[in-house]
Amino acid sequence: DTAVSQTPKYLVTQMGNDKSIKCEQNLGHDTMYWYKQDSKKFLKIMFSYNNKELIINETVPNRFSPKSPDKAHLNLHINSLELGDSAVYFCASSQDGTGPEKLFFGSGTQLSVL
Amino acid sequence: AQSVSQHNHHVILSEAASLELGCNYSYGGTVNLFWYVQYPGQHLQLLLKYFSGDPLVKGIKGFEAEFIKSKFSFNLRKPSVQWSDTAEYFCAVNTGRRALTFGSGTRLQVQP
Repeated sequence: DTAVSQTPKYLVTQMGNDKSIKCEQNLGHDTMYWYKQDSKKFLKIMFSYNNKELIINETVPNRFSPKSPDKAHLNLHINSLELGDSAVYFCASSQDGTGPEKLFFGSGTQLSVL
Repeated sequence: AQSVSQHNHHVILSEAASLELGCNYSYGGTVNLFWYVQYPGQHLQLLLKYFSGDPLVKGIKGFEAEFIKSKFSFNLRKPSVQWSDTAEYFCAVNTGRRALTFGSGTRLQVQP
């Protein structure tokens, strides 16, 4: 059983398109995250949701909009895709109080914008 | 703002060699420290973590890390690496925010 699953695994699209990445966790965790890994391998936090409430919203363009219909799902919608959006996007979840003790990651979505 | 530095970007070792990967963080307060590993084709997974107590932390697969507060460091070590340790290793820190801050990763390549 996959604990944190995200789809699709690969996404190739043209500039200007709108795309979504879906994430689901079956661990019963309260907190979910989106991280972006750039070409230099840096993993940067983008968003964090706790029980469907936005907790962290880093300096991310408004074209990126997370949506959490319930605490098991955190989707990422990206409007008007740009070349610089090409990266690997990781979803993660954790069960924590004041801070994450252990993150469970999805397998990543490699986004290529042409 | 907190940051994490991993100075070794790519390390190549022969099997049975000893390993030490550097990790430094910039934050003056209480921190929780982590090492995550990503084996080829697999998810990122937790290797070990430090919250408090003994600064020498033991993790899975024979890895250990030592927290040296005066040096703001949390280096990862293994006395004898195996080919199966080939992976990407990420150091991370939590300073009380609701997310981890990661370093840029170190790619370890172990040659048989």
